[in-house]
Amino acid sequence: DIQMTQSPSSLSASVGDRVTITCRASQSIANYLNWYQQKSGKAPKLLIYSTSNLQSGVPSRFSGSGSGTDFTLTISSLQPEDFATYYCQQTHRTPRTFGPGTKVDLK
Amino acid sequence: EVQLVQSGAEVKKPGESLKISCKDSAYTFASYWIAWVRQMPGKGLEWMGNIYPGDSDTRYSPSFQGLVTISADKSISTAYLQWSSLKASDTAMYYCAQGFQRYFDFWGQGTLVTVSS
Repeated sequence: DIQMTQSPSSLSASVGDRVTITCRASQSIANYLNWYQQKSGKAPKLLIYSTSNLQSGVPSRFSGSGSGTDFTLTISSLQPEDFATYYCQQTHRTPRTFGPGTKVDLK
Repeated sequence: EVQLVQSGAEVKKPGESLKISCKDSAYTFASYWIAWVRQMPGKGLEWMGNIYPGDSDTRYSPSFQGLVTISADKSISTAYLQWSSLKASDTAMYYCAQGFQRYFDFWGQGTLVTVSS
């Protein structure tokens, strides 16, 4: 299986901050990397697919980049509704493994 | 708009069987993949497997192969996840998600399964 790691595991930030979350794969996954946001008690929501494609309806303050094994999710200016847990997922190989998540909370 | 509606919460005893469902309200059920994702209490997301209802092509994570069965009935736009013998460690929230091979853009609301003696 392809192992996914994320850093940091949690972070505290303020509204308006620029936030960067990193995801690393144990082997090359080309650009088959997705990002999901999950708020407490809710289903995950797709933010970005295939590394850098913004899902319809997702604010443009979210962006993704990377290739191969190293990927990044950036929130350019954190908003109150962005406090949540973020997961990366590789879809290069089955099983489609998720990262362990990064919890973003209020500083 | 696509809406995935999952069956309600279940409370079961160890050893019992269970089948939970995920119904698609749209008319495109057979054309997209359905995945099942487990989230144990306080933990992260785990991909269990997925199915393409159009031809029932099914893929499992090795971690769940043989422990669960994923199926679909395209005539009623419904996917299923079933266990033949539940364990306490199956206690979790289970999500279905619909999309393409490479990403899933619509998610159900989740089904909470509690297994306790």
